Amino acid sequence: QKEVEQDPGPLSVPEGAIVSLNCTYSNSAFQYFMWYRQYSRKGPELLMYTYSSGNKEDGRFTAQVDKSSKYISLFIRDSQPSDSATYLCAMSAMGGQGFSFIFGKGTRLLVKP
Amino acid sequence: DGGITQSPKYLFRKEGQNVTLSCEQNLNHDAMYWYRQDPGQGLRLIYYSQIVNDFQKGDIAEGYSVSREKKESFPLTVTSAQKNPTAFYLCASRPGSASSGANVLTFGAGSRLTVL
Repeated sequence: QKEVEQDPGPLSVPEGAIVSLNCTYSNSAFQYFMWYRQYSRKGPELLMYTYSSGNKEDGRFTAQVDKSSKYISLFIRDSQPSDSATYLCAMSAMGGQGFSFIFGKGTRLLVKP
Repeated sequence: DGGITQSPKYLFRKEGQNVTLSCEQNLNHDAMYWYRQDPGQGLRLIYYSQIVNDFQKGDIAEGYSVSREKKESFPLTVTSAQKNPTAFYLCASRPGSASSGANVLTFGAGSRLTVL
């Protein structure tokens, strides 16, 4: 079983749509959950991060974590063409060597005008 | 503005040559990381360092070497022993484990290495 599963897409939506991006994971030790946005040939930039289960909202973006189901989501409201990018989910946990991180392979999103 | 600077942005190498990718951060972060990104493969950890003069191998360290002589610098050398070096390389950093924000990585803009 892979540690993190993320649908690679591409996911194509019309401008203004609500977008739902998801990841599942297997290791219950993960405590911190992040979403990064990566434009083509650029480094990932942090969009949202949450600790443990619950929701967090920032503008048009909402991150949800359900630790009981080992499932995290990122919702984008009123999607814009500028949201077209690859979205990476990431998780971290504290261990003997400090924080360890694991990343999903990314979902490519295309928002059409 | 604080951040991570990677250079060069694009690099071409002939087979058999070693190349060094630069990573400099002015965030005062303790830990630094190198990842390799290939299409469809996600991010794979090459090396990481939590303090100066100390570093550990990641999942795919073979054919790579690093040094951490200064807190702000973590260069990566891609040696001729690396069989498939063409990839996008990302440097990242985070504060020390006892600090706020230690659980989140900040990334540089990346370096694209192509072997001819």
